[in-house]
Amino acid sequence: NAGVTQTPKFQVLKTGQSMTLQCAQDMNHNSMYWYRQDPGMGLRLIYYSASEGTTDKGEVPNGYNVSRLNKREFSLRLESAAPSQTSVYFCASSEELSGLSDGYTFGSGTRLTVV
Amino acid sequence: QKEVEQDPGPLSVPEGAIVSLNCTYSNSAFQYFMWYRQYSRKGPELLMYTYSSGNKEDGRFTAQVDKSSKYISLFIRDSQPSDSATYLCAMEKAAGNKLTFGGGTRVLVKP
Repeated sequence: NAGVTQTPKFQVLKTGQSMTLQCAQDMNHNSMYWYRQDPGMGLRLIYYSASEGTTDKGEVPNGYNVSRLNKREFSLRLESAAPSQTSVYFCASSEELSGLSDGYTFGSGTRLTVV
Repeated sequence: QKEVEQDPGPLSVPEGAIVSLNCTYSNSAFQYFMWYRQYSRKGPELLMYTYSSGNKEDGRFTAQVDKSSKYISLFIRDSQPSDSATYLCAMEKAAGNKLTFGGGTRVLVKP
């Protein structure tokens, strides 16, 4: 029972480099999310996908793009990494946008450092 | 001002004590309330979920909602070192909307 799988777990990038964070869920959930978590800032929503084929901006979308590849997979791309994007990134999924049935299921995170 | 406020802590208690956590919110539209637990270097996991004002109990955990005061609480009885984690409250305005998370409170239970 894998739940939400994120890759990679750790990454160091140089300023200006690009990378894609991968996320896959095996719970047949409709909705998926990307958050970043910084000390003192809590969880901030970057982008979300309410259902396959749709994506929407969250609270802090600048500098990021997303792709809902299919129902299982939701990727987050940094086109030109900046030190301000150093953070822990979490992918999450839920049966529906509200998360009322079973809440949001989170992956174990990607620790990204931009130097 | 954030919609959901939570004291970041850390809150340090001796083993066996009652842990008391709370969140305040500013928008009376919030109707559904959740608590998540996050261990170090892990993702948050759902702990409890409440819909209406009042109390909900699950083992050593009690969630309390006071909509009139815009205040929710989580109590952990007989706390254990394994309860050491960050606890995040989350709430939602209506079915079909996304969750809004508090910043989390770090709890340390000392043996």
